[in-house]
Amino acid sequence: EPEVTQTPSHQVTQMGQEVILRCVPISNHLYFYWYRQILGQKVEFLVSFYNNEISEKSEIFDDQFSVERPDGSNFTLKIRSTKLEDSAMYFCASRGQDGELFFGEGSRLTVL
Amino acid sequence: GEDVEQSLFLSVREGDSSVINCTYTDSSSTYLYWYKQEPGAGLQLLTYIFSNMDMKQDQRLTVLLNKKDKHLSLRIADTQTGDSAIYFCAEPYSSASKIIFGSGTRLSIRP
Repeated sequence: EPEVTQTPSHQVTQMGQEVILRCVPISNHLYFYWYRQILGQKVEFLVSFYNNEISEKSEIFDDQFSVERPDGSNFTLKIRSTKLEDSAMYFCASRGQDGELFFGEGSRLTVL
Repeated sequence: GEDVEQSLFLSVREGDSSVINCTYTDSSSTYLYWYKQEPGAGLQLLTYIFSNMDMKQDQRLTVLLNKKDKHLSLRIADTQTGDSAIYFCAEPYSSASKIIFGSGTRLSIRP
């Protein structure tokens, strides 16, 4: 079964540092998403991406966040200056034309 | 508004059927999803149903869709200890540019 891969699986960073989370979506998928899940809480939508631009973003996705598809395979989420409250699991997902939405295993971000 | 609602907890006896319910708001959604999340793990796509269907069955899983009431359910037959997890329903909005998750239902299995 095709899969979405995410790296790193866990990153620890100091408050104020920049973090880049990487995702390799399923190869023939065109729609990509980032979600966040704070421990024990809801799965929150951050942003969606299609045709090399943001389709939709939530209120959480402020100026500290950005997404990029730099080379046609990777899909990255950058947090410019991390805050304590950015500590969470970040999930990447990709969706095919048939509607199937697959998630990666997540990247756990710990901000100290 | 955009809201997907689920009850938070469900406890069933091993071998019984589990029914997890979800209500959604956007009547134009093309499809709806069910995900399973085990402790410390990612989101596993269990199944999804197109809005032109009323029911979908896949082995022990049965999804029922009531479009009139905007109600979605997931039935797990012969519930096993390995079914212990949090189950999320999810609904697309804005032509699926945003997919919103419910708060999740924690399923626990008692012997």
